[in-house]
Amino acid sequence: GENVEQHPSTLSVQEGDSAVIKCTYSDSASNYFPWYKQELGKRPQLIIDIRSNVGEKKDQRIAVTLNKTAKHFSLHITETQPEDSAVYFCASTGGSYIPTFGRGTSLIVHP
Amino acid sequence: ETGVTQTPRHLVMGMTNKKSLKCEQHLGHNAMYWYKQSAKKPLELMFVYNFKEQTENNSVPSRFSPECPNSSHLFLHLHTLQPEDSALYLCASSQDPGLAGTDTQYFGPGTRLTVL
Repeated sequence: GENVEQHPSTLSVQEGDSAVIKCTYSDSASNYFPWYKQELGKRPQLIIDIRSNVGEKKDQRIAVTLNKTAKHFSLHITETQPEDSAVYFCASTGGSYIPTFGRGTSLIVHP
Repeated sequence: ETGVTQTPRHLVMGMTNKKSLKCEQHLGHNAMYWYKQSAKKPLELMFVYNFKEQTENNSVPSRFSPECPNSSHLFLHLHTLQPEDSALYLCASSQDPGLAGTDTQYFGPGTRLTVL
């Protein structure tokens, strides 16, 4: 089955800095890669996603890049703000159509 | 925020109790999921139902019993649980796994379960 590795497990940045979270996957048939944000005490919510026919996607301060050859994808957050503090999960969906989630990254943005 | 609802939001039960968790989705989706979220294993898939049929049982102990009477409702029946079953139980739905553009999962707020 699919295996998703996510790094780092914790990321601490100063407000205004950029943050990058990386994930690798194992199933070459995977074709959909969403990112979810889970604030403390709240549900995970989709913030951005990318499909295998696209190399990069951007939505205001967040962007996702995908390298199919290397089987890795990354979340980039620029100009971080305290409200970006949360746990971020990557996921990979392949031939089974069931997403496999990474273990999560706890992002802490210091004012 | 009201697309997927779960009740109860908090539950404390003894190891000999029987209780049920309920999930309801108002999005017209065809697939529903149960996840367990704990500190040690952040998001563990438990069960998947697609068009009311169970398509995935991720080696879950039999003390957890799912039920999906229709595409909008999903239950998780609990009996003789163990303290290590204490966790946040999240329900999710998606429109139709496998169709491009419909893979996004929408999560409910979760039930915080404590087993004494």
